[in-house]
Amino acid sequence: DGGITQSPKYLFRKEGQNVTLSCEQNLNHDAMYWYRQDPGQGLRLIYYSQIVNDFQKGDIAEGYSVSREKKESFPLTVTSAQKNPTAFYLCASTDNGRTNTEAFFGQGTRLTVV
Amino acid sequence: AQSVSQHNHHVILSEAASLELGCNYSYGGTVNLFWYVQYPGQHLQLLLKYFSGDPLVKGIKGFEAEFIKSKFSFNLRKPSVQWSDTAEYFCAVTAPLYNTDKLIFGTGTRLQVFP
Repeated sequence: DGGITQSPKYLFRKEGQNVTLSCEQNLNHDAMYWYRQDPGQGLRLIYYSQIVNDFQKGDIAEGYSVSREKKESFPLTVTSAQKNPTAFYLCASTDNGRTNTEAFFGQGTRLTVV
Repeated sequence: AQSVSQHNHHVILSEAASLELGCNYSYGGTVNLFWYVQYPGQHLQLLLKYFSGDPLVKGIKGFEAEFIKSKFSFNLRKPSVQWSDTAEYFCAVTAPLYNTDKLIFGTGTRLQVFP
C-alpha cells in the first residue's frame, strides 16, 4: 500500500541532544512537508521541499534542519537550539507539488524532551 | 502575514444537531481550500476540497463547505452530526500567487458530539 511512514512513533530525548525524525513516502510525490502540532495551535509549518535537493523554511524553522537527498525521504532533525521541542510532528506529501491536490499525512512522531 | 483563522476552538453538540465551523483566510487572488479531519488516534484525512467551479462542495460523511470569495470564508457544515463525528477539524489553504506549494493550516476546531 502506498503511503507515508514516520518513525519512530514515540521518541524521548535528553535536553541538549539532537534527534532525527524519519519520514518516508512511496507515493512518488514531489513535495514533502514537516508540521508541528501543539494543542490549540493547529499545524504549523516547519520546512517544506518541492523537489529533491531543495527545501524552504516554513513559519517556525528555527532550531530545526532538514535534508532532501532522495525523493522518497525527508528527515527532520530537531537540534538542541530548539527551545521547546516537545510536540507532535507530522510529515506530509503532495503530488508533483501541484496546489490542487490533497496532502497525505503520516501517523506522526511524538517527541518528548526529558 | 498569510494566515488561516478558525474562530471556533472547541464545539460541543448533541447528536442530530447542525454544525457549522468557521474558516477565514487572508490571501487575495486564487486560493485552493481544504478541510481535513483528525479522528482520535488516526491520520489526518481529507474531508473535502475546493479548487474552482461550484462554490458549494460536498465531501465525505455528509459534510459540505461553501466558498464565499467576498467574505474570504470556507465554512464547514453538516445538517445532523453523529457521535462518530467527534474529532479535530482543520481548515487549510494554498495560494498560488503567494507560494505555489505552501500549505497553511488553521489552528483547528475540536468537536465533541454527545449521544
